[in-house]
Amino acid sequence: EPEVTQTPSHQVTQMGQEVILRCVPISNHLYFYWYRQILGQKVEFLVSFYNNEISEKSEIFDDQFSVERPDGSNFTLKIRSTKLEDSAMYFCASSDQGALNPEAFFGQGTRLTVV
Amino acid sequence: KQEVTQIPAALSVPEGENLVLNCSFTDSAIYNLQWFRQDPGKGLTSLLLIQSSQREQTSGRLNASLDKSSGRSTLYIAASQPGDSATYLCAVREEGTGGFKTIFGAGTRLFVKA
Repeated sequence: EPEVTQTPSHQVTQMGQEVILRCVPISNHLYFYWYRQILGQKVEFLVSFYNNEISEKSEIFDDQFSVERPDGSNFTLKIRSTKLEDSAMYFCASSDQGALNPEAFFGQGTRLTVV
Repeated sequence: KQEVTQIPAALSVPEGENLVLNCSFTDSAIYNLQWFRQDPGKGLTSLLLIQSSQREQTSGRLNASLDKSSGRSTLYIAASQPGDSATYLCAVREEGTGGFKTIFGAGTRLFVKA
């Protein structure tokens, strides 16, 4: 069964450093997403991406965040200068968003720890 | 703005009990509703997805129902086992300004005692 894969599963970084979280969406999907879950809190929407541009972003997705689809298979989330409060689990998702079945498929997440 | 609420926040039951987890949402204009399982520190495992036109879905000991007009869903777990201990998340898929997105509830933390 096709699945969304995320790498790495766990990343530790120093405050102020840049990090790139990587995702390989399901191959025929065209819509891509990032979500965040701070420990003990809800899973929150960050950004959606379609046709090489951001479709929608939440208030969490400020200027330190960016997304990119650098090639035909990867989808990345970059955090330019990490803060302690960026420590969270980050989930990537993709969907084909057909009107009859707009189901999103989620990856297993990358746990980001900022020290 | 869509809000998804899950009750109870935590639940502890003895092994073998049947139990019901509740989910409510404020805007009934959803495309589907999904139940996930999350083990501590781990990712999301999809359990059941109910399309907006459906009333329920079943998988093994799990049964999820959806009453879209009243903004409610329940997840029924039959004959609970210690291995069912996890956090159960309810999530609705809706269409926003930039396409579809998923809105999650805060989850119900379930503990099944052996």
